[in-house]
Amino acid sequence: DNQLTQSPSFLSASVGDRVTITCRASQGITNFLAWYQQKPGKAPKLLIYGASTLQSGVPSRFSGSGSGTEFTLTISGLQPEDFATYYCQQINDYPFTFGPGTKVDIK
Amino acid sequence: QVHLQESGPGLVKPSETLSLTCSVSGDSLSGECWNWIRQSPGKGLEWIGYIYDSGDTNYNPSLRSRVTMSIDMSKNQFSLRLTSVTAADTAVYYCARLMIPFGGGFDGFDMWGQGTVVTVSA
Repeated sequence: DNQLTQSPSFLSASVGDRVTITCRASQGITNFLAWYQQKPGKAPKLLIYGASTLQSGVPSRFSGSGSGTEFTLTISGLQPEDFATYYCQQINDYPFTFGPGTKVDIK
Repeated sequence: QVHLQESGPGLVKPSETLSLTCSVSGDSLSGECWNWIRQSPGKGLEWIGYIYDSGDTNYNPSLRSRVTMSIDMSKNQFSLRLTSVTAADTAVYYCARLMIPFGGGFDGFDMWGQGTVVTVSA
């Protein structure tokens, strides 16, 4: 399987901060990478696909970049509603796999 | 607006079969890729597999020997069967739609059900 790792696993930040999460794939996936946000008791919500394309309705403070094996999700100006867990997912190889998640908490 | 809703027993006995249904409203099943994903504290998010309206399927090799997906176009539903369950199959089970761009490949899971908790216990 194509394993995904995320760093950091946990991140403490303040409202207004710029936050960056990294996702690394064990094998190259070109740009077939998506990012999700999940809040407790809720299903994941698609934020970004194609490594850098913002899903409709998602605020522009979210951005994604990268290709191959290394990707980043950036939140520019963290808002109170952004405190959640973030997952990356590759959809290049079967089976599709998810990263272990990065929890963004309030400092 | 597209809405997905999982349904099925919340408690399944070990060695028995887990059966879930996803009812879709606001969208036809035609031309789309419908998926099951589960989430447990121990294994995180795990893709189980997908089914197309044609009935074509693709399953995670780790579950392939125990998984069957089916689709009922007349009811706008698709289903999951997982046989010989153990405690390791205890999880929140989600159904989700996978976006398919015009150029091929896949984009991401854009619509999800709310999830249903399934516990495997005697």
